[in-house]
Amino acid sequence: EPEVTQTPSHQVTQMGQEVILRCVPISNHLYFYWYRQILGQKVEFLVSFYNNEISEKSEIFDDQFSVERPDGSNFTLKIRSTKLEDSAMYFCASSVQGGIEKLFFGSGTQLSVL
Amino acid sequence: GESVGLHLPTLSVQEGDNSIINCAYSNSASDYFIWYKQESGKGPQFIIDIRSNMDKRQGQRVTVLLNKTVKHLSLQIAATQPGDSAVYFCAENRINNAGNMLTFGGGTRLMVKP
Repeated sequence: EPEVTQTPSHQVTQMGQEVILRCVPISNHLYFYWYRQILGQKVEFLVSFYNNEISEKSEIFDDQFSVERPDGSNFTLKIRSTKLEDSAMYFCASSVQGGIEKLFFGSGTQLSVL
Repeated sequence: GESVGLHLPTLSVQEGDNSIINCAYSNSASDYFIWYKQESGKGPQFIIDIRSNMDKRQGQRVTVLLNKTVKHLSLQIAATQPGDSAVYFCAENRINNAGNMLTFGGGTRLMVKP
């Protein structure tokens, strides 16, 4: 079965540094998402992306965050200047269409900000 | 504020027994609900969904029940197996939500005893 793949699986960074989390969505999917899960807490929506534009974003997704589809296969999440509270598991997801289409999640990138 | 939440954080069942995982929601605008399974080290995996015009939907060994009167959702797993051990999340969405922003509940850990 096709999978969403995320790299790296673990990322350790110093506070204030920039990080880029990478995702390869399923090839025929058109909608892409980032969610995050702070340890022991709920999975939280960050942003949805379609046709090279952000469709929707949450309050968490402030000016420190940006997303990009730099080529035909990758989908990235950049955190410009990481804070301690950015430490979380970040999940990429994709779907064939928007609306209530089934989301397929990757295995996540565990980001640790020291 | 309005949110999706779970009644029990941990559920322990004997292998072969049926499991019932509950979820309460308070957003009356929600009209689409999904159950996800998250195994250790993996992203959420879609199990089953239900629209608000239904009160029951069955899949393979799983059944989702929706009670709109009391805003309650449940996931029933028949003949629970060790492979069912995971954290289960309910999530809600709105059918006209183009951005596919899921709101997740807090999760219930299902532990299956052999």
